[in-house]
Amino acid sequence: QQPVQSPQAVILREGEDAVINCSSSKALYSVHWYRQKHGEAPVFLMILLKGGEQKGHEKISASFNEKKQQSSLYLTASQLSYSGTYFCGTEPGRGSTLGRLYFGRGTQLTVWP
Amino acid sequence: GAVVSQHPSRVICKSGTSVKIECRSLDFQATTMFWYRQFPKKSLMLMATSNEGSKATYEQGVEKDKFLINHASLTLSTLTVTSAHPEDSSFYICSAREGGLAGLNEQFFGPGTRLTVL
Repeated sequence: QQPVQSPQAVILREGEDAVINCSSSKALYSVHWYRQKHGEAPVFLMILLKGGEQKGHEKISASFNEKKQQSSLYLTASQLSYSGTYFCGTEPGRGSTLGRLYFGRGTQLTVWP
Repeated sequence: GAVVSQHPSRVICKSGTSVKIECRSLDFQATTMFWYRQFPKKSLMLMATSNEGSKATYEQGVEKDKFLINHASLTLSTLTVTSAHPEDSSFYICSAREGGLAGLNEQFFGPGTRLTVL
């Protein structure tokens, strides 16, 4: 059930862009993206429904390709505050698995000044 | 976003004792709450799904007698780690979701509880 995230780690200079990918071997209903700072709880970024929906949140946006069971998170003009570990959580479907999220191993993003 | 609290934030206990962790949704009613476990620098592992007024659904490999979950109200779920052992030491995080089948709702995470079993 656990999705695969890539890359495992990214190091950027402030102002550079990054893409984080998430793929699943199972059919997906939705994909959720979170950012976690060390010692803190994950913070919700956005949720994407099946249908190729693309959403944006300031300079962070994401897409979801339900046919390929893949989602990508795009960070543009990165800021120091973007540093943290990014997790995708995949929701396999409705019914008995309603709301259950299975998380990838995370992508550690470090932004340097 | 919605606020979820957890208590305690840290707990240290002796091996063999039981520890209760509370998860509360402060400004919304959570029909479903989820409990996760996270090891250092690792992913969040879903342990169980808790629905108000019904038995929790545990993920494969999670001992239901070891990790007792109660969802007594729409704003409170508790996780009790029974007869804790050092290997139970971990970061436990809950999340809460507002909607039912009709809605698509994000999960909001609590701040987590660091459990250390000596």
